[in-house]
Amino acid sequence: NAGVTQTPKFRILKIGQSMTLQCTQDMNHNYMYWYRQDPGMGLKLIYYSVGAGITDKGEVPNGYNVSRSTTEDFPLRLELAAPSQTSVYFCASSYDRADGYTFGSGTRLTVV
Amino acid sequence: KNEVEQSPQNLTAQEGEFITINCSYSVGISALHWLQQHPGGGIVSLFMLSSGKKKHGRLIATINIQEKHSSLHITASHPRDSAVYICAVRSSGGYNKLIFGAGTRLAVHP
Repeated sequence: NAGVTQTPKFRILKIGQSMTLQCTQDMNHNYMYWYRQDPGMGLKLIYYSVGAGITDKGEVPNGYNVSRSTTEDFPLRLELAAPSQTSVYFCASSYDRADGYTFGSGTRLTVV
Repeated sequence: KNEVEQSPQNLTAQEGEFITINCSYSVGISALHWLQQHPGGGIVSLFMLSSGKKKHGRLIATINIQEKHSSLHITASHPRDSAVYICAVRSSGGYNKLIFGAGTRLAVHP
């Protein structure tokens, strides 16, 4: 099984540009999450989804949008990129809220 | 004060040493996770526990719910154990999220 696949692995954006971080899982997990990891800080939840068609904000949603049209895919959209969005982004999934998580390999994003 | 605190922040050990990483939390929880983040950045789930103790190979995780404290032990440490170890708790407050500690960076030298 591929698990959770994130693309791209690295990206440099200019201020004001937009991009979509892709996340796909093949484990039929219901729950999917987007986190950001900043140096010296714990991961922070951006958005999460409990199933296709259902999404909700996490702790740090400003500047991001998500959609969940299928069980497998949970893309994260950055509109009008800002230097504060420079971070490492992780997608994760779990079968339900009480399960362990499976993480993607991360996307290192730099906004200049 | 962070809701999840880990200590130490950084840890250096010689191969073969017994290692302990601590995690304290200040919220009510339904579960606690220990994760390993490799130097390449990938994150792997090691344990999820809500009481007592779990063991997998050379790794042992314990939790004391009353004291709001968990420990991750590594026996007979090896250089391949070098990684960042992250503690995360699932709050019992009804919001489906994990609260993460900042991680403990472990370096094991031959």
